[in-house]
Amino acid sequence: DSGVTQTPKHLITATGQRVTLRCSPRSGDLSVYWYQQSLDQGLQFLIQYYNGEERAKGNILERFSAQQFPDLHSELNLSSLELGDSALYFCASSVGLVAGGETQYFGPGTRLLVL
Amino acid sequence: AQKVTQAQTEISVVEKEDVTLDCVYETRDTTYYLFWYKQPPSGELVFLIRRNSFDEQNEISGRYSWNFQKSTSSFNFTITASQVVDSAVYFCALSAVNFGNEKLTFGTGTRLTIIP
Repeated sequence: DSGVTQTPKHLITATGQRVTLRCSPRSGDLSVYWYQQSLDQGLQFLIQYYNGEERAKGNILERFSAQQFPDLHSELNLSSLELGDSALYFCASSVGLVAGGETQYFGPGTRLLVL
Repeated sequence: AQKVTQAQTEISVVEKEDVTLDCVYETRDTTYYLFWYKQPPSGELVFLIRRNSFDEQNEISGRYSWNFQKSTSSFNFTITASQVVDSAVYFCALSAVNFGNEKLTFGTGTRLTIIP
């Protein structure tokens, strides 16, 4: 158990819908990262937050957004869902004391299926 | 740009055999970190090891060992006396050390199957 929690574990929804994925980082970790794992793209970095502020952006679609709240939990919002958004979405956290190189601990993931 | 290549897509070995998973990376940074993660069939990503670019000492942890060679930009992972529980997808990853670019860049993974 990494100490990172993600809910829900599974999500089935229809095209055009909007969903919210939730992540709670390990106790004491300030940085939260979101990754998408799909068969065709592999593991791709989406976005990073540090202590409530966006710190880095990767290949995140405009239909996707995220935020980190004062209690440090983070939410990833996916809207106007398409079939191709079906994937495993991981949240990871790290201490956040230095700029890069820290071990990122991953949550169990949310498996999203868009029908 | 950073890149991680895991050329071996799938490997199958018989239990108790040794197996090496290859990882080659590209980066322009002089300071960076390399990682290995394991993804068992249950789907979670489990951290195995972190190594910084200044430490080329090989590391051994039980049946696991890692060989870091800066000269060939490789960070290979060997499992000795493999067991069925080692069956998983293994990912090599790279992280830069600079503000705003702290993401992990992953390889495509190697699916390891241990045959009983």
